[in-house]
Amino acid sequence: GQQVMQIPQYQHVQEGEDFTTYCNSSTTLSNIQWYKQRPGGHPVFLIQLVKSGEVKKQKRLTFQFGEAKKNSSLHITATQTTDVGTYFCAGAGTYKYIFGTGTRLKVLA
Amino acid sequence: EAEVAQSPRYKITEKSQAVAFWCDPISGHATLYWYRQILGQGPELLVQFQDESVVDDSQLPKDRFSAERLKGVDSTLKIQPAELGDSAMYLCASSFGTAPYEQYFGPGTRLTVT
Repeated sequence: GQQVMQIPQYQHVQEGEDFTTYCNSSTTLSNIQWYKQRPGGHPVFLIQLVKSGEVKKQKRLTFQFGEAKKNSSLHITATQTTDVGTYFCAGAGTYKYIFGTGTRLKVLA
Repeated sequence: EAEVAQSPRYKITEKSQAVAFWCDPISGHATLYWYRQILGQGPELLVQFQDESVVDDSQLPKDRFSAERLKGVDSTLKIQPAELGDSAMYLCASSFGTAPYEQYFGPGTRLTVT
């Protein structure tokens, strides 16, 4: 069945450093979503990518969807302590989403 | 801002007992999802409803789990009998429709089976 993997599993950065997490699907996706889950919280929707090669920005966050629609990345510029949490990608084949394994980000002040 | 409601927030039960979780989605959302999230892992889809119909329950352990959404609004997920391995966070989410709509998650129910 469809699998969605993310790397790295964990990332510790100093505040102000950049951070990137990568998402890879075993199958071609129709679209991909990104979620953030704070410690003790629930996933919160960040963004959705639909088109091949699409790039979207939200302030310090940049999201990319691969040309083959099988991979995606999230890049955070100049991390802040408020960026702490686990970032999940969720890939859709047809009607349902498969969540990735997540990347847990810790930001050291 | 509208939110997905879940209850209870925490549940401790003994193995072999029955347990039920309730979810009330955002008004107007036709699609409802139940996910199970084990600590340190991503949410795993258990069942997906479109209105009152099950769209996908391929990962639902049907020998012990059941889910219903009788009137196409709120939903109940039941486990009977509970096993130690069922300890996890059970998350409910809703969306306006199936993919590619964004999902709104509730706060979850933390289940501990002793």
